[in-house]
Amino acid sequence: QSALTQPASVSGSPGQSITISCTGTSSDVGTYNYVSWYQQHPGKAPNLMIYDVTKRPSGVSNRFSGSKSGNTASLTISGLQAEDEADYHCCSYAGSNTVVFGGGTKLTVL
Amino acid sequence: QVQLQESGPGLVKPSQTLSLTCTVSGGSFSSGGYYWTWIRQPAGEGLEWIGRIYASGSTNYNPSLKSRSTMSVDTSKNQFSLNLSSVTAADTAVYYCARDSGSGTHSYWGQGTLVTVSS
Repeated sequence: QSALTQPASVSGSPGQSITISCTGTSSDVGTYNYVSWYQQHPGKAPNLMIYDVTKRPSGVSNRFSGSKSGNTASLTISGLQAEDEADYHCCSYAGSNTVVFGGGTKLTVL
Repeated sequence: QVQLQESGPGLVKPSQTLSLTCTVSGGSFSSGGYYWTWIRQPAGEGLEWIGRIYASGSTNYNPSLKSRSTMSVDTSKNQFSLNLSSVTAADTAVYYCARDSGSGTHSYWGQGTLVTVSS
């Protein structure tokens, strides 16, 4: 069970859109539609932003969207705002009742 | 509103056992089909799934930590616990407890507790 692969950092200017990738294997992301994304501000616990690849929990802005193609899932944030600056973590069900996370991506709003 | 709160020693000596408890309030602990999960995060790194326990006591562990991990549940107190044996400095991290719907969706998290392994 290897960690999912995320870029270490991404950046964008206010109002722009950015996409964070999360690459797994055919044993996790590629097989199961159980990818979730978490936003984490410094010193805080992670907060669920997307689940089941594309679904948004109540209260999460529709500027956040998720998708998947093959073994790679993606989180897109449109209309970037200063408050979106945070770390983002992807997570996937990996079969055999196990779960795997990505290494995390630091988003900088320029 | 579901709330989770971790508790336990903040400092553990190398080779000893790390023991943490998570107390759940504001929701259904024993029914609802949820898994109660432990996740950790070393400073400046990503999240690592340690494992989870069902209210019945059924457990699932990260294969890389399975040999050192033991989870238990006390439904009378709405609590679940983690024991991690033979710790080293590599086990120093913020430890979170969380609720998993079953598919790896963690909707609720504790605030996290820092555990340092040092003599």
